[in-house]
Amino acid sequence: DTEVTQTPKHLVMGMTNKKSLKCEQHMGHRAMYWYKQKAKKPPELMFVYSYEKLSINESVPSRFSPECPNSSLLNLHLHALQPEDSALYLCASSYSSGNTGELFFGEGSRLTVL
Amino acid sequence: GIQVEQSPPDLILQEGANSTLRCNFSDSVNNLQWFHQNPWGQLINLFYIPSGTKQNGRLSATTVATERYSLLYISSSQTTDSGVYFCAVGVDSGNTPLVFGKGTRLSVIA
Repeated sequence: DTEVTQTPKHLVMGMTNKKSLKCEQHMGHRAMYWYKQKAKKPPELMFVYSYEKLSINESVPSRFSPECPNSSLLNLHLHALQPEDSALYLCASSYSSGNTGELFFGEGSRLTVL
Repeated sequence: GIQVEQSPPDLILQEGANSTLRCNFSDSVNNLQWFHQNPWGQLINLFYIPSGTKQNGRLSATTVATERYSLLYISSSQTTDSGVYFCAVGVDSGNTPLVFGKGTRLSVIA
């Protein structure tokens, strides 16, 4: 069983909708991540939070807005998305944001933008 | 930045066969992980192996950091082994996120 939980598993939204993806971990990890994955491609890093502060933003459009309410929770707020934003969105966590730690992924949220 | 190359890109196996997947990287690393992405999209940790050899059941991995490669061995493959295997590496500079290879897509047929 994954110890990183993502909801919802599937989401369909229109281009004018506002929705949120949620991620939760209870492993005591201090770093949390959002990745985007298109079909037949590796995951692409979007954001990194370290100790609840945004430490990396990989030039992601502002229609994606991350939020880290506490060390266990990570949200991704979605607004005015485009059809090309349809993808699998993966949350991950690690003990620290330094690259020496093991990364654990959630099951993903599959997003379709109509 | 560091380059990560995985081979082969695609692999089809008969159930019961053995296979070796390779991950080459272009610089020194202090983190290397192997993941299996199942057909439903979940990325499952297989090994955290910046150096040395580890085994877990039918799977084992070896990383030779000085020669900049890692190998993932799958023995007696099963249909549930199907999916994409990713190698991801972290470089010595510390805060740079993991870099993923493009993956090896494995299909195990009964």
